[in-house]
Amino acid sequence: DQQVKQNSPSLSVQEGRISILNCDYTNSMFDYFLWYKKYPAEGPTFLISISSIKDKNEDGRFTVFLNKSAKHLSLHIVPSQPGDSAVYFCAASRGTDKLIFGTGTRLQVFP
Amino acid sequence: DTAVSQTPKYLVTQMGNDKSIKCEQNLGHDTMYWYKQDSKKFLKIMFSYNNKELIINETVPNRFSPKSPDKAHLNLHINSLELGDSAVYFCASSQEYYETQYFGPGTRLLVL
Repeated sequence: DQQVKQNSPSLSVQEGRISILNCDYTNSMFDYFLWYKKYPAEGPTFLISISSIKDKNEDGRFTVFLNKSAKHLSLHIVPSQPGDSAVYFCAASRGTDKLIFGTGTRLQVFP
Repeated sequence: DTAVSQTPKYLVTQMGNDKSIKCEQNLGHDTMYWYKQDSKKFLKIMFSYNNKELIINETVPNRFSPKSPDKAHLNLHINSLELGDSAVYFCASSQEYYETQYFGPGTRLLVL
């Protein structure tokens, strides 16, 4: 039972353009959402988070949007840079419960 | 000054062997975790310890046993390794159980 889904395994974007990574979840009780970024041969690194009381959180070039009615989360990166090329995982949790991760989307930013 | 470190980075072994993976964090965090990322790229929690006490024990075979000698270390011992144990194992830590987790670089285990 996959509660957090990232339906696009990969995304290719030109440098300078916007990257939009999507994530859907099934458990309406989730109240905290995170995005992690992972480079090859490294562990995931925390990027940005949002709690369910908000619908947007921004940190520099990264913005996370939460649509609770659609149970949908997205990460916007603008402008995209070649160094952003990595695998992006979304994750969700309910209260102090464990984190549930999606399967990741591989982003490639080309010049 | 690596925050969360794991050893070894790569582990190739035969079926039936027993092996251990070590994890250390120097962040002063109270909670540590073990995750498994399988061939389908699912990243699933296996165990979590808070102040050396086991708080999460997901449905994993008894062959997997975590050991926390102190709150900076969480080791994973695997008995009688099977082919299906081949995966990348990540250690992570956080200050409190529900806070942002910091991951180690992973240990790539291949069972032949």
